[in-house]
Amino acid sequence: DAGITQSPRHKVTETGTPVTLRCHQTENHRYMYWYRQDPGHGLRLIHYSYGVKDTDKGEVSDGYSVSRSKTEDFLLTLESATSSQTSVYFCAIRRGLGTSGRGEQFFGPGTRLTVL
Amino acid sequence: GNSVTQMEGPVTLSEEAFLTINCTYTATGYPSLFWYVQYPGEGLQLLLKATKADDKGSNKGFEATYRKETTSFHLEKGSVQVSDSAVYFCALKLDEAGANNLFFGTGTRLTVIP
Repeated sequence: DAGITQSPRHKVTETGTPVTLRCHQTENHRYMYWYRQDPGHGLRLIHYSYGVKDTDKGEVSDGYSVSRSKTEDFLLTLESATSSQTSVYFCAIRRGLGTSGRGEQFFGPGTRLTVL
Repeated sequence: GNSVTQMEGPVTLSEEAFLTINCTYTATGYPSLFWYVQYPGEGLQLLLKATKADDKGSNKGFEATYRKETTSFHLEKGSVQVSDSAVYFCALKLDEAGANNLFFGTGTRLTVIP
């Protein structure tokens, strides 16, 4: 257990509405990631963060923004949700080299988002 | 580019059968290789890993050997159990400065029947 929680765990929303997903960690890790999981694609990186206020785009960043105002929280925002963003979203942290599980990523339980 | 190809599923086996899930990769550098497992309704858990050529990762009876000459990291288990039913993901990570994000295969669903 890497102390990662995601909220909400399930959400149904309508096209065009804004949605924010939250990832919270308790271990003070520098790197955090947002992935989406879709059938036939595995997991794909949306955005990642390498520190407070430091973020960068991943493979499938269009339509998503992120913010990290404090170490423990990494927020993913869909400014105007579309049906193509229906997916399961996973947050992950990367443990530092000075900790057990060095350099490995550990995943949260996921958020299932449905956009109608 | 960097990518992972793993065998299409679903795979259905009887309990105590031998399991192989094939995984091959393409990488621009020298990757570390991973197998993750996702049990129903849960997030991904690291199953095993190997960080250099000829390393063997093992855990819970599962094994995979990093084969640089064939760019492969096939997952094997000698005798599967019903509790092994899950989706298995092969992944690579480049050990270089930067995001160090994982590149995943599409996943292989395994169902083990009693």
